[in-house]
Amino acid sequence: ETGVTQSPTHLIKTRGQQVTLRCSSQSGHNTVSWYQQALGQGPQFIFQYYREEENGRGNFPPRFSGLQFPNYSSELNVNALELDDSALYLCASSSGTGYQETQYFGPGTRLLVL
Amino acid sequence: QKEVEQNSGPLSVPEGAIASLNCTYSDRGSQSFFWYRQYSGKSPELIMFIYSNGDKEDGRFTAQLNKASQYVSLLIRDSQPSDSATYLCAVQGGAQKLVFGQGTRLTINP
Repeated sequence: ETGVTQSPTHLIKTRGQQVTLRCSSQSGHNTVSWYQQALGQGPQFIFQYYREEENGRGNFPPRFSGLQFPNYSSELNVNALELDDSALYLCASSSGTGYQETQYFGPGTRLLVL
Repeated sequence: QKEVEQNSGPLSVPEGAIASLNCTYSDRGSQSFFWYRQYSGKSPELIMFIYSNGDKEDGRFTAQLNKASQYVSLLIRDSQPSDSATYLCAVQGGAQKLVFGQGTRLTINP
């Protein structure tokens, strides 16, 4: 167990709806990164939050947004859901943003968009 | 060209043998390299990281890095059925993100 928690574990939404996913980082970690993993693919970087500020973003549209709170927990919000948003959403925490920082993953939230 | 490439497999290895997993990457500026194991339906679990050229050993696992060839590998000695999983290679450069390969599915046959 990494100490990173995510909620909910599973979620079913319909196209056009909005969803909020939550992540609590490991104790002592101030950095949270979010990834999307489609079936049969490797995780793809969505964005990273460091000390409540966005600190890098992958190739995802603006309808993917996030927040980090003072306790370093984080939320991922996705608006106007599309069928292709069906995936496993992974949160990873680390103790900083340097290139040697190791990211530890939570159990993920599996989202199905119908 | 994909940034990180892995053979998707499946790779089938007899129990007790050495499993060899390979990964190439395109960004010469990459500085950190990670291997994660992912069981079906679960999230990735860190196995090893390596920053410098050469070999790094941890129990039955050895990571090998060759920056000149832009190549990183993972060897699993004395493979066990519990090693059956998908292995993800991840690369981190100057940016904060990890770039993953698509993963290699490994099956250890008893």
